[in-house]
Amino acid sequence: DAGVIQSPRHEVTEMGQEVTLRCKPISGHDYLFWYRQTMMRGLELLIYFNNNVPIDDSGMPEDRFSAKMPNASFSTLKIQPSEPRDSAVYFCASSRVTQPQHFGDGTRLSIL
Amino acid sequence: AQSVTQPDIHITVSEGASLELRCNYSYGATPYLFWYVQSPGQGLQLLLKYFSGDTLVQGIKGFEAEFKRSQSSFNLRKPSVHWSDAAEYFCAVGAPKAAGNKLTFGGGTRVLVKP
Repeated sequence: DAGVIQSPRHEVTEMGQEVTLRCKPISGHDYLFWYRQTMMRGLELLIYFNNNVPIDDSGMPEDRFSAKMPNASFSTLKIQPSEPRDSAVYFCASSRVTQPQHFGDGTRLSIL
Repeated sequence: AQSVTQPDIHITVSEGASLELRCNYSYGATPYLFWYVQSPGQGLQLLLKYFSGDTLVQGIKGFEAEFKRSQSSFNLRKPSVHWSDAAEYFCAVGAPKAAGNKLTFGGGTRVLVKP
């Protein structure tokens, strides 16, 4: 079975540019989560969706971050404008209710 | 609010030796508990989970964990470590029905395996 698919795997861009990270959850999963992982702060939940609807975005660091889930098989996390402190590994995960989350391999983002 | 503490940031163990990683949680009711492993450059992979029932849980790769309610702990163990077990391990707590499948993760324990 295909797992959670994230793209791109690596992204290097300059400060001020718009960055879009993509995620395809596992088919049939109705929860989708976006996380950010850094050495300093560890693994942080940014936002999660249930049935394509954002449920909790309290972890989104600021208005430069936005996330959408236009359908059950696709989600994006956008940063505009990007800053060097946004450099991190971003993970997407999906699950069914009461079932463990399955993680993608992440996008390593570097903002120069 | 729920929280998870992994007291050990780093652990070094010799290949073939036993391994125990500590996890303490704070939660008002019986939580759902998980251990994930992250190898370099990869995402988190589920090792095992505890929802209810037998407090000793078997997972993949020869790992097991024991839920101790009285100690609010969910420690991970492996009797004999292989070099491929070198990775970072995360304990997580959740309450899916009450909190929409949200998980709270500990800070992780990095395991180094000596030959």
